[in-house]
Amino acid sequence: SAVISQKPSRDICQRGTSLTIQCQVDSQVTMMFWYRQQPGQSLTLIATANQGSEATYESGFVIDKFPISRPNLTFSTLTVSNMSPEDSSIYLCSTSTGSSYEQYFGPGTRLTVT
Amino acid sequence: TQLLEQSPQFLSIQEGENLTVYCNSSSVFSSLQWYRQEPGEGPVLLVTVVTGGEVKKLKRLTFQFGDARKDSSLHITAAQPGDTGLYLCAGGLMSTGNQFYFGTGTSLTVIP
Repeated sequence: SAVISQKPSRDICQRGTSLTIQCQVDSQVTMMFWYRQQPGQSLTLIATANQGSEATYESGFVIDKFPISRPNLTFSTLTVSNMSPEDSSIYLCSTSTGSSYEQYFGPGTRLTVT
Repeated sequence: TQLLEQSPQFLSIQEGENLTVYCNSSSVFSSLQWYRQEPGEGPVLLVTVVTGGEVKKLKRLTFQFGDARKDSSLHITAAQPGDTGLYLCAGGLMSTGNQFYFGTGTSLTVIP
């Protein structure tokens, strides 16, 4: 298993600004994932971040809007750029260990854009 | 459309009742996980099933993986208020390596 922390836990931001969310894992991991979740709903994968390579984005998500960094095997950041109220959501990072794709999640960052 | 459909979407029951949540797909999964998420927290892994027909028990929770590895169910016996939360199934698709898909979610409320 892995223990994951995220910062900030929540933020209220103004339209047009950007927010960077940090994700720290307590052990070295190959793959890290970023998800978006509306309260009470399921998770939508934004991108997969592997250390040493460009992040792989899912359909509907682009690097200009959600740039991701993965400088080492324990850390990643997701930036939500040029925010609009539609970006208000919970953003979660996770990592996968083992061969059965089990994922371990951070507590999430609740973002509100006004 | 979602690859993994869960039913029901919402469930509100009295303490002590039994319930079953279903997770269905037309795709074959190499493994399937169930998670529970409480407000303000990330999803927490409950169980992983990997073999068709596999049944796993975790106290009052029973998980089953379909014979064809396309579906799964979660049965809770004698539900308690502490079982309240969002239940998510998720699976690794055989054809896409580590590509991981989450179900549509089931929000469970257990009333004392």
